[in-house]
Amino acid sequence: SSGLTQDPAVSVALGQTVRLTCQGDSLRMYDPSWYQQKPGQAPILLLYGVNNRPSGIPDRFSGSSSGDTSSLTIAGAQAEDEADYYCYSRDSDTTLVFGGGTKLTVL
Amino acid sequence: EVQLVESGGGLVQPGRSLRLSCTGSGFTFGDYGMIWFRQAPGKGLEWVGFMRSNRSGGTTEYAATLKGRFTISRENSKNVTYLQMNSLKSEDTAVYYCSRIAVAGFDIWGRGTLVTVSS
Repeated sequence: SSGLTQDPAVSVALGQTVRLTCQGDSLRMYDPSWYQQKPGQAPILLLYGVNNRPSGIPDRFSGSSSGDTSSLTIAGAQAEDEADYYCYSRDSDTTLVFGGGTKLTVL
Repeated sequence: EVQLVESGGGLVQPGRSLRLSCTGSGFTFGDYGMIWFRQAPGKGLEWVGFMRSNRSGGTTEYAATLKGRFTISRENSKNVTYLQMNSLKSEDTAVYYCSRIAVAGFDIWGRGTLVTVSS
């Protein structure tokens, strides 16, 4: 496996729905998780096990996965959703892989 | 409150060593694996290495590009995990984060500590 691929930048109009994708061979075997990072802040866990939200994460965030591609969907994007989004997966029991991140702009 | 706090960052010359600490509170530290990440200025997240929980053997794994220079250890009695960094290079300049490894993923993150490698 050579890592996870994400679109470098995506934009969405305020209130619209956007889907961020993550592609990689490891996703065929391991569930992804997604992290949100705002400027100057540490990342936070957004989704895990494909489509599970930790406590406090709004339900406008959802996930799906098929084959080698996983997706994070934001339904009704808000201004505060403008951030970098990283997908993550295991590559084996000893190796982890991150996507390069997607910078989401809310217009 | 469950939290992690990193410390030990700063300016260090190339070739020198530095040890970062990550102190946890609000949870049973030894029950969790701990992981270190880093983020170079303007770049994405990169995993550095992790240490499994006691229950899982407390063993360590490292990113291939860093193996041999970086070492993770922990003192559960003090709720601390360490990242020992040797033979530092300019490309090691980054914000270093520690995080807790939970079933749900990396669920708690520290605020990070900046390491600058420069002469």
